[in-house]
Amino acid sequence: DAKTTQPTSMDCAEGRAANLPCNHSTISGNEYVYWYRQIHSQGPQYIIHGLKNNETNEMASLIITEDRKSSTLILPHATLRDTAVYYCIVRAYSGGGADGLTFGKGTHLIIQP
Amino acid sequence: DAGVTQSPTHLIKTRGQHVTLRCSPISGHKSVSWYQQVLGQGPQFIFQYYEKEERGRGNFPDRFSARQFPNYSSELNVNALLLGDSALYLCASRQFKDPGQGVGNTIYFGEGSWLTVV
Repeated sequence: DAKTTQPTSMDCAEGRAANLPCNHSTISGNEYVYWYRQIHSQGPQYIIHGLKNNETNEMASLIITEDRKSSTLILPHATLRDTAVYYCIVRAYSGGGADGLTFGKGTHLIIQP
Repeated sequence: DAGVTQSPTHLIKTRGQHVTLRCSPISGHKSVSWYQQVLGQGPQFIFQYYEKEERGRGNFPDRFSARQFPNYSSELNVNALLLGDSALYLCASRQFKDPGQGVGNTIYFGEGSWLTVV
């Protein structure tokens, strides 16, 4: 799976949109972009994923650039409960192979009151 | 619906002992994976099981083993515990092994089992 690069930490004011960038310049055509977050001492929580098109669900929006080399996770109205480590992961669906996710160090997002 | 459930939530073991951690996947999920997360790092992949067979293994020593049961639940076993095995052990499940691009491929995690080796 392709490697990703994320900022180590970010701050965002409560109520504002939080925009978390991710670079994945070596992504392959069959690799999806996944986002998970991990609140302190809990298991990772799935947020959203996408291939080419922008995606939106009840938690967040995912914007993927046309060349697919980078993406941005958007939390539209951040709350204090969104303080967590956010992981960007690229992942292929390999026929018959293992599907272990490769986590980097992620971005520690701190929502300020 | 219940998510991925793990037990125990916390445990303390002594160096050299053996530990068994248990996981029940989301109902209908046939694939289970195990991850180790040491403090300050992201989770690291240990094993994946599908239909009771090992389908993938990360870079972990043979002291680590796992199995999957007919009801798709799973156990992770670690022998000859070392201090460095202290970590959060996460179980994750998904519906299918290779459904292509379908929703059955999303991986969901449990809350983990905190293991402290003293």
